[in-house]
Amino acid sequence: DADVTQTPRNRITKTGKRIMLECSQTKGHDRMYWYRQDPGLGLRLIYYSFDVKDINKGEISDGYSVSRQAQAKFSLSLESAIPNQTALYFCATSDPRPGSSYEQYFGPGTRLTVT
Amino acid sequence: SQKIEQNSEALNIQEGKTATLTCNYTNYSPAYLQWYRQDPGRGPVFLLLIRENEKEKRKERLKVTFDTTLKQSLFHITASQPADSATYLCARSSTGGSQGNLIFGKGTKLSVKP
Repeated sequence: DADVTQTPRNRITKTGKRIMLECSQTKGHDRMYWYRQDPGLGLRLIYYSFDVKDINKGEISDGYSVSRQAQAKFSLSLESAIPNQTALYFCATSDPRPGSSYEQYFGPGTRLTVT
Repeated sequence: SQKIEQNSEALNIQEGKTATLTCNYTNYSPAYLQWYRQDPGRGPVFLLLIRENEKEKRKERLKVTFDTTLKQSLFHITASQPADSATYLCARSSTGGSQGNLIFGKGTKLSVKP
């Protein structure tokens, strides 16, 4: 089974709709991240969480919100989707312990289309 | 601000040759740089990390260098194969309160022709 899973894998929604993307991990990591990837723009950080009670905005948090329901679960919500939020979304985790490589483990991605 | 750039969007090489990808950063040196491989429609996969005090790191056919004078990391794939075709992402460590976070370059798409 995959260490980091994302649901749904694909979603088409209409402008103005609320949508939630979910991420679960079995690696036991405290740190979790949400990124979006757009052609020509690379990966950009939306939100990150160092533990269940520590959630922080990333580079492009406007229009998004997150919830860390448990160490293993981190959800991303678009309260009112707009077409320029059409992108590939990735969840990732990392191990913050001293001496670690801070290697990030990515999920398979969610392709979101807002019409 | 902390920036990282991969100057080549795409690189085409012949099978068997060495592929060399470049990553440049601005301002102060990051504590470490990481390289990831991404296949179409899939999440990035970690390949190598190199720390600021390391000049070179190797893993099988992969080699990464870190030159703090040039503010540059080079990623080499020797004896390249068509299966190495993918997009390769460079990432620098962030600092301060967000230590452990990464800032990614836009990636270089490598195509290895038989």
